[in-house]
Amino acid sequence: DARVTQTPRHKVTEMGQEVTMRCQPILGHNTVFWYRQTMMQGLELLAYFRNRAPLDDSGMPKDRFSAEMPDATLATLKIQPSEPRDSAVYFCASAGTTDTQYFGPGTRLTVL
Amino acid sequence: QKEVEQNSGPLSVPEGAIASLNCTYSDRVSQSFFWYRQYSGKSPELIMSIYSNGDKEDGRFTAQLNKASQYVSLLIRDSQPSDSATYLCAVNDRDDKIIFGKGTRLHILP
Repeated sequence: DARVTQTPRHKVTEMGQEVTMRCQPILGHNTVFWYRQTMMQGLELLAYFRNRAPLDDSGMPKDRFSAEMPDATLATLKIQPSEPRDSAVYFCASAGTTDTQYFGPGTRLTVL
Repeated sequence: QKEVEQNSGPLSVPEGAIASLNCTYSDRVSQSFFWYRQYSGKSPELIMSIYSNGDKEDGRFTAQLNKASQYVSLLIRDSQPSDSATYLCAVNDRDDKIIFGKGTRLHILP
């Protein structure tokens, strides 16, 4: 049963702390997306990679967010320093040869 | 600014009736259109994709696309309480990124 996995599922941290979220895409999928979802803004694309290369990170605040894909089985999203306005659910999604995206369960981040 | 617009709802529909969800998009070059369903506290899951003008049926779901009007809709026949969820319309843009609408909350009344 192939699925996207994300860790941690929940994270509570204090303002100023570093937060790292991890994603394992479906094996064989070459495109990985990071989204943020809030009630006010909905689902926003932060960044995406194809064949591990970053293609677009225009949705990401560059001063504090960074996204990497150190290998084909791991994508990371880091926030340093975190702020209360970063509180949201962060989703990773992957896609293979079609443009259908499969979403992970999400990381619910609360920054106090 | 590329946009995908949906009525936020909630849309209340009696059980057994047809639920009609609508979406408009701004980028005329969009070629791929998707409907995702998201239950509360869960992640979005794809239920329909459509690429050509007209209707596409899959079980109780029918997606309708009108590129001239930049309009895509989802019909759910014989609505069930389990269909209660938020439905996200998504459209690709000229850079092949998928842009999501903010979703329509659907409530099926037993």
